[in-house]
Amino acid sequence: GQSLEQPSEVTAVEGAIVQINCTYQTSGFYGLSWYQQHDGGAPTFLSYNALDGLEETGRFSSFLSRSDSYGYLLLQELQMKDSASYFCASHTGGFKTIFGAGTRLFVKA
Amino acid sequence: GAVVSQHPSWVICKSGTSVKIECRSLDFQATTMFWYRQFPKQSLMLMATSNEGSKATYEQGVEKDKFLINHASLTLSTLTVTSAHPEDSSFYICSARDAASGTTYEQYFGPGTRLTVT
Repeated sequence: GQSLEQPSEVTAVEGAIVQINCTYQTSGFYGLSWYQQHDGGAPTFLSYNALDGLEETGRFSSFLSRSDSYGYLLLQELQMKDSASYFCASHTGGFKTIFGAGTRLFVKA
Repeated sequence: GAVVSQHPSWVICKSGTSVKIECRSLDFQATTMFWYRQFPKQSLMLMATSNEGSKATYEQGVEKDKFLINHASLTLSTLTVTSAHPEDSSFYICSARDAASGTTYEQYFGPGTRLTVT
């Protein structure tokens, strides 16, 4: 079976750093992606990890540990516009993608 | 950047009627497109994988005779919800992979279609 677990919601203040964790159970695992979705909008791609380690893209970084079936998304210098839902997603053969339940991030002033 | 469009953006239909939703990749070719359904404040649930020129692959629990998928060209996939019922009301989102992207798993999502069945 395929399943991903992530916290349902996280609250942080502007300028802070927040980490959203994701654990997965996926057969035929290829990699882990992160997507951002604002209310009423479509998901937008943030990052992808196929190998262990940290990938950095501007204020966002993503980490993967295949041996621990664990990854996280790190958001630095939080801004109000970062308030959104963040989904981790695992990939298997045929480019199939399974999404986690999502983490709602609330950024407060 | 890669753009995916969906049409219509929202639709209201009566119970028992059918609704067709189009998903187009505007500036790239997509051999594979995906159809998702999302209920309010919930995750995206993969319904089916649509491959150009072949039959779609449906996820377990998704009725293929109810949700008809056609991927007739490298830039267009359609989802038809047949004999719609109120419980089919949801946000339907498509995504597409760029055929030239190699092994990258990045998907480009359409803006979604909100279906309300009365």
